[in-house]
Amino acid sequence: GAVVSQHPSWVICKSGTSVKIECRSLDFQATTMFWYRQFPKQSLMLMATSNEGSKATYEQGVEKDKFLINHASLTLSTLTVTSAHPEDSSFYICSAGTGTYEQYFGPGTRLTVT
Amino acid sequence: AQSVTQLGSHVSVSEGALVLLRCNYSSSVPPYLFWYVQYPNQGLQLLLKYTSAATLVKGINGFEAEFKKSETSFHLTKPSAHMSDAAEYFCAVSDQGTYKYIFGTGTRLKVLA
Repeated sequence: GAVVSQHPSWVICKSGTSVKIECRSLDFQATTMFWYRQFPKQSLMLMATSNEGSKATYEQGVEKDKFLINHASLTLSTLTVTSAHPEDSSFYICSAGTGTYEQYFGPGTRLTVT
Repeated sequence: AQSVTQLGSHVSVSEGALVLLRCNYSSSVPPYLFWYVQYPNQGLQLLLKYTSAATLVKGINGFEAEFKKSETSFHLTKPSAHMSDAAEYFCAVSDQGTYKYIFGTGTRLKVLA
């Protein structure tokens, strides 16, 4: 149980374009979803927290107009990287929570911006 | 604010030797603590978690961790390292108010043949 999927697992896009990453909780309802960014050989950095039907709460230093987060249902959250640039290339990981202390992590999405 | 410190960004052990990865936390209330493993280009896999029940927690793949409140530690151990244990390991604490995770900086484990 508690499976989280991400799609796509790997995406390459051209500089200036936008890319959407989906995060789904497959067998449970996620009241909260978290989006992380991980640079090579570094730890996970929390970007934002989203609750179903509410606007996302962004961590300090994260551009909310660049990283658009939508949590339209209890099983789906999306992260859209707008006007992507090479410095946005990273590993993006989502996790889902059910209002308790534990989060369930997706497998991650590797974004490469050329 | 809560924080997590992982001492040793790189740890090397011989195959069959004891694995010890250190994690210290700072929290004013009893925390929820986690250890995750990450293989290259993959997501996080939960190894074990402490949720204020037993202080010695057993996880998958032979790993265990002991919660020591007096030392504010939650070190991860495995009696005998295997080549397949080579990976990045993250300790995390869950904030009891927001349920946000605070991750340590990670420890890369290398297992020598």
